[in-house]
Amino acid sequence: QKEVEQNSGPLSVPEGAIASLNCTYSDRGSQSFFWYRQYSGKSPELIMFIYSNGDKEDGRFTAQLNKASQYVSLLIRDSQPSDSATYLCAVFMDTGRRALTFGSGTRLQVQP
Amino acid sequence: ETGVTQSPTHLIKTRGQQVTLRCSSQSGHNTVSWYQQALGQGPQFIFQYYREEENGRGNFPPRFSGLQFPNYSSELNVNALELDDSALYLCASSLVAGIDQETQYFGPGTRLLVL
Repeated sequence: QKEVEQNSGPLSVPEGAIASLNCTYSDRGSQSFFWYRQYSGKSPELIMFIYSNGDKEDGRFTAQLNKASQYVSLLIRDSQPSDSATYLCAVFMDTGRRALTFGSGTRLQVQP
Repeated sequence: ETGVTQSPTHLIKTRGQQVTLRCSSQSGHNTVSWYQQALGQGPQFIFQYYREEENGRGNFPPRFSGLQFPNYSSELNVNALELDDSALYLCASSLVAGIDQETQYFGPGTRLLVL
């Protein structure tokens, strides 16, 4: 079982729709969760982070965390073609290693 | 722009050679982490440096080594390059203090091709 799992996609949504990206993680002791966006050929760009159960909103983005289910998601409202990218879920696991563990990413395509 | 810089942007080497990649952290950040990202994969943790000492290491062989300098900039050295070392190498800086301590900001990366 991978430590952080994401559906590789592509996830295709029409412009203006809500895109829902999901991520599960294996370490129940994980405390911090991050979403990064990565355009082709570029480096990951931090979108948002979440520490507590529930929802956290930032503009068109909402992160949702459910620690009991070991599940974190990212919702993108009013999706735009410029949102087309790979979205990486990253987890800070309580393993003593001060590092982020990444999923393989979900490729999102927003159709004009 | 995160304020994290890396050099060079691209590099071509041959198998068996050695390479040094450089990173300058964001102003105010004292910790640098290095990641390797193969095509189609998420970044994989190589190691982290804090106060000029290695502060954690991933599953990479000893031929991957690093340094951090007093100004918090860092180097990644890879000896005896192998074809599988071809990847995007990412440097991330963070501040080891407070609630934001795990938030890492990435530089633009160095793309290494080993022939």
